[in-house]
Amino acid sequence: DTEVTQTPKHLVMGMTNKKSLKCEQHMGHRAMYWYKQKAKKPPELMFVYSYEKLSINESVPSRFSPECPNSSLLNLHLHALQPEDSALYLCASSWGPRQPQHFGDGTRLSIL
Amino acid sequence: AQSVTQLGSHVSVSEGALVLLRCNYSSSVPPYLFWYVQYPNQGLQLLLKYTSAATLVKGINGFEAEFKKSETSFHLTKPSAHMSDAAEYFCAVSNTGGFKTIFGAGTRLFVKA
Repeated sequence: DTEVTQTPKHLVMGMTNKKSLKCEQHMGHRAMYWYKQKAKKPPELMFVYSYEKLSINESVPSRFSPECPNSSLLNLHLHALQPEDSALYLCASSWGPRQPQHFGDGTRLSIL
Repeated sequence: AQSVTQLGSHVSVSEGALVLLRCNYSSSVPPYLFWYVQYPNQGLQLLLKYTSAATLVKGINGFEAEFKKSETSFHLTKPSAHMSDAAEYFCAVSNTGGFKTIFGAGTRLFVKA
């Protein structure tokens, strides 16, 4: 069973749409992460929240906007995405720095 | 800067044979090292971790890895492969004091019947 829950599992959107990806964990972890993973590649870090504050932004385009409403929830707001943004988006959480991360099963995003 | 290199993008073994997936790391400080597995259409799952305690680390599903500082290696092994072990495996190192995890390029394990 996955302890990090991501919704939706699949998302198809046009380049002018606005949508959001959601992630939830109830393990009490204080760090939460967004990754982007292209086929046959490792995950690429996008954002890290620590204690609900944005800790790392890996120079991600502004069409991706993260939000951490509380310690259990993490959102990724999407707007005006490009076809190259099609990928698997993974959420993860951990107790803190240098700790193992628990991953959700991801949202597979397709941009038309 | 820290990095990991996984030798071999694809490894194929027969069912029941030894599994050996290679990982070499680079780190200026004692590293925290991890192996993750990713099955199709799933996220990553932690197999095992090294955090400067015992050099031989046992993980889930019969996997283990040995930290060898002299060789800067952290190879993953399993004595007997099962068909269910077919997946993508990532070696990773955690950066010093921060939240970044640097992943290797991954090794796809194929298990033949």
